[in-house]
Amino acid sequence: EIVLTQSPATLSLSPGERATLSCRASQSVSNSLGWYQQKPGQAPRLLIYDASNRATGIPARFSGSGSGTDFTLTISSLEPEDFAVYYCQQRSNWPRTFGQGTKVEIK
Amino acid sequence: EVQLVESGGGVVQPGGSLRLSCSASGFTFSNYAMHWVRQATGKGLEYVSAISSSGGSTFYADSVKGRFTISRDNSKNTLGLQMSSLRAEDTAMYYCVKASSDYYYDSWGQGTLVTVSS
Repeated sequence: EIVLTQSPATLSLSPGERATLSCRASQSVSNSLGWYQQKPGQAPRLLIYDASNRATGIPARFSGSGSGTDFTLTISSLEPEDFAVYYCQQRSNWPRTFGQGTKVEIK
Repeated sequence: EVQLVESGGGVVQPGGSLRLSCSASGFTFSNYAMHWVRQATGKGLEYVSAISSSGGSTFYADSVKGRFTISRDNSKNTLGLQMSSLRAEDTAMYYCVKASSDYYYDSWGQGTLVTVSS
């Protein structure tokens, strides 16, 4: 099973600041990595697929990068609605696995 | 608009059984793989099971293998999850999820809550 480790666990930032979230895989997943956003009481939403492609309707302030074992989700300038929990997920191998999440909270 | 509506959750005793259903609309159900993903309260996301578009292939997390069975009826646009020998650690919100053609989770239901408790 591929283990995904996200860091940091919590990121405390102010609106307008840049957020950088990390996801590291225990073995290479090539570019088969996605990012999801989850707000309290809601289902997750796909943000990024194949490491760097924005899903339909996702604002340009969200960007993804990386390949192999190291990946990054960047939010260029935080909007109030971006404070949420973010998960990475690999679709390279079975079973599909998720990272443990990074909470982006208001400082 | 894609809609996924889960049902069937509830409270069940350890060792008991429960069947979850998901009704799909807004897309050609028979063209897409479908998954179940769960989330314990305050915890992260956990893949549970997947089924190919035709239903011919199924996949399970080790934690549920032999206890859960995923199924689909493409004529009725429904996805199912038969859960048996339930344990306290199966307590979670269960989401019905559509896989995109790139195999990511591009549409999620609102979830159905399963509580395993005596």
